[in-house]
Amino acid sequence: DIQMTQSPFLLSASVGDRVTITCRASQGIGNYLAWFQQKPGKAPRSLIYAASSLQGGVPSKFSGSGSGTDFTLTISSLQPEDFATYYCQQYYSYPVTFGQGTKVEIK
Amino acid sequence: EVQLLESGGDLVQPGGSLRLSCAASGFTFSSYAMSWVRQAPGKGLEWVSTIHNSGGNTYYPDSVKDRFTISRDTSKNTLYLQMNSLRAEDTAIYYCAKGVGDSGTYSYWGQGTLVTVSS
Repeated sequence: DIQMTQSPFLLSASVGDRVTITCRASQGIGNYLAWFQQKPGKAPRSLIYAASSLQGGVPSKFSGSGSGTDFTLTISSLQPEDFATYYCQQYYSYPVTFGQGTKVEIK
Repeated sequence: EVQLLESGGDLVQPGGSLRLSCAASGFTFSSYAMSWVRQAPGKGLEWVSTIHNSGGNTYYPDSVKDRFTISRDTSKNTLYLQMNSLRAEDTAIYYCAKGVGDSGTYSYWGQGTLVTVSS
């Protein structure tokens, strides 16, 4: 199975900050990488697929990059509604696997 | 507007069975892969199953293989998850998710349905 490792586990940031979350795959996955946002008590929301393609309706402050084993999710200017937990997912091969999540909290 | 509405979650005893449903609307159901993803209380996301559009191929992780069965009824625009031999560790919110095309990732999620396995 492909292991997905996110860092950091917890990110403390202020409104307006530029934040970056990293996701590393245990083997190459091309660009078969997605990012999701989840707020407490809510279903996940899809943000990015194919490493850098924004899902419909997702604001351009979110961006993704990377290929192979190393990927990043960047939020250009953190807003109050962006405080949440973020997950990466590889869908290069089955079993599909998720990272453990990165919680973005208010500093 | 894409809508995914799960139902069927309940309290069930260990060893019991349950069938979850996901009613889909707002898109051509037969054209997309569909998946189930679960989240145990206070934990992260865990993929449970995917059924592809092309050929209807199905996939499961070892943790549910031979116990869970995913299926779809295109005449009813509904996705199912038959869960047998349930264990305490299957306790979770189960989400239905629409695929990005026929791929293994997702564009939309339902609101989830809670399955509790306990005596």
